[in-house]
Amino acid sequence: RKEVEQDPGPFNVPEGATVAFNCTYSNSASQSFFWYRQDCRKEPKLLMSVYSSGNEDGRFTAQLNRASQYISLLIRDSKLSDSATYLCVVKDYGQNFVFGPGTRLSVLP
Amino acid sequence: GAVVSQHPSRVICKSGTSVKIECRSLDFQATTMFWYRQFPKQSLMLMATSNEGSKATYEQGVEKDKFLINHASLTLSTLTVTSAHPEDSSFYICSAPRQGVNTGELFFGEGSRLTVL
Repeated sequence: RKEVEQDPGPFNVPEGATVAFNCTYSNSASQSFFWYRQDCRKEPKLLMSVYSSGNEDGRFTAQLNRASQYISLLIRDSKLSDSATYLCVVKDYGQNFVFGPGTRLSVLP
Repeated sequence: GAVVSQHPSRVICKSGTSVKIECRSLDFQATTMFWYRQFPKQSLMLMATSNEGSKATYEQGVEKDKFLINHASLTLSTLTVTSAHPEDSSFYICSAPRQGVNTGELFFGEGSRLTVL
C-alpha cells in the first residue's frame, strides 16, 4: 500500500461547480498535512496547510480526520484558474515529506 | 517573491555531458534540501535528501554516482547529472523546508527542465 494515496482523476467540472478531493495516508504517526497545487510544467506551491479542526481559505476548505487517516479538500464555485494538479502532502515529526500522486482538475467553461 | 531559487530553468545538452543544477535558499538557512524528478504527467519522485555538511541520502534506485549532490553551505545545494543520457531528460525540482509558525512548509525552486539530445 502506498503511503499517500489520491484519486488521480482527471476531474472535469463546469465553472461554478463544487468539487472535493480525498487523500488517505498510511503512517499514523504523521504530524503535518498540506495541500499543494501544481500547474503544468511548474513547481508545486502551497495551497493550504490542514489543521485538525479543519480550516477554510476563501473558496477552499480542508479537513483532517486522524482516526480514518483521511484528508479532504473542497473547492467551491470553481474557476477556470483552479485547473491544476492538487497534491496531498504528509509530514512526520522529522523532515520526511511524502507526496501523493496528485489529482488533476480541469474546470471547463 | 521566491524564497528558493533554482538555476538554470532550462538546459539542453548532448549525451555524455554533465549538467549542474543549483538550488539556493534566499532568505533562510536550509540544512536540508530535497531533490525531485518529475516525468511528464507523473508525480514528483524524491531522488535524494541533501544535508548540509554531510553526505546526501539517496532514495532506492537512484544512482549516487550519477546524480552527485553537494550541499556545501546553508543556502546552496547542487545536483550534477553526470554523463547525461536521453533517458535523464526530465523536470528536476529542489525544495527546502523552512521552520516557522506554520511549521514544515516546503518551498520549491522553479524547477529545471533538462533535455538530453
